[in-house]
Amino acid sequence: DTGVSQDPRHKITKRGQNVTFRCDPISEHNRLYWYRQTLGQGPEFLTYFQNEAQLEKSRLLSDRFSAERPKGSFSTLEIQRTEQGDSAMYLCASSLGLAGATQYFGPGTRLTVL
Amino acid sequence: AQSVTQLDSQVPVFEEAPVELRCNYSSSVSVYLFWYVQYPNQGLQLLLKYLSGSTLVESINGFEAEFNKSQTSFHLRKPSVHISDTAEYFCAVSEAGAQKLVFGQGTRLTINP
Repeated sequence: DTGVSQDPRHKITKRGQNVTFRCDPISEHNRLYWYRQTLGQGPEFLTYFQNEAQLEKSRLLSDRFSAERPKGSFSTLEIQRTEQGDSAMYLCASSLGLAGATQYFGPGTRLTVL
Repeated sequence: AQSVTQLDSQVPVFEEAPVELRCNYSSSVSVYLFWYVQYPNQGLQLLLKYLSGSTLVESINGFEAEFNKSQTSFHLRKPSVHISDTAEYFCAVSEAGAQKLVFGQGTRLTINP
């Protein structure tokens, strides 16, 4: 299977702890996106990379959140000092660098903050 | 700012009945439009998309959507649904030149036998 993969699939943590998620995009895709989805809502954009450059960040991405994509391959999303409001499904997607290119989504990482 | 409204949070229909899932968007520039589907316990998958050209686009499993610029709508239709169409459907828009997708809140389609 050469789709988008995410690790871990589930993460339970205590409030105040730091967590890190990993996303491996489809290999030939140069764009990588992070979204957050809460129950009963559609995904909300967080940030995106073109190769290793982070080109856009949403206002949802507070200073406790940081994302990286070293070498333009996999990406990590770190949340520091987690809060209960951070509980959500974190989705990663990747696409080719073309206008209107389809974004292919991974299975997501479900974060629960106790 | 762009936004997407899916007018129905849940749509129950009987098997083999027609269905329409409604989607309206707001944007001041040209847009690309998408429908994604999320089957139970699976990730989001693209169902169909409109980039340009013919305003009617079709998927391989019998769904179609029509881009209506004057009404800023992109409603999804299927003439006869199957149990396997049970899923959550998300309408999304991206502005030409932008990369992010803006999603609606989703419509849960439930097929009753």
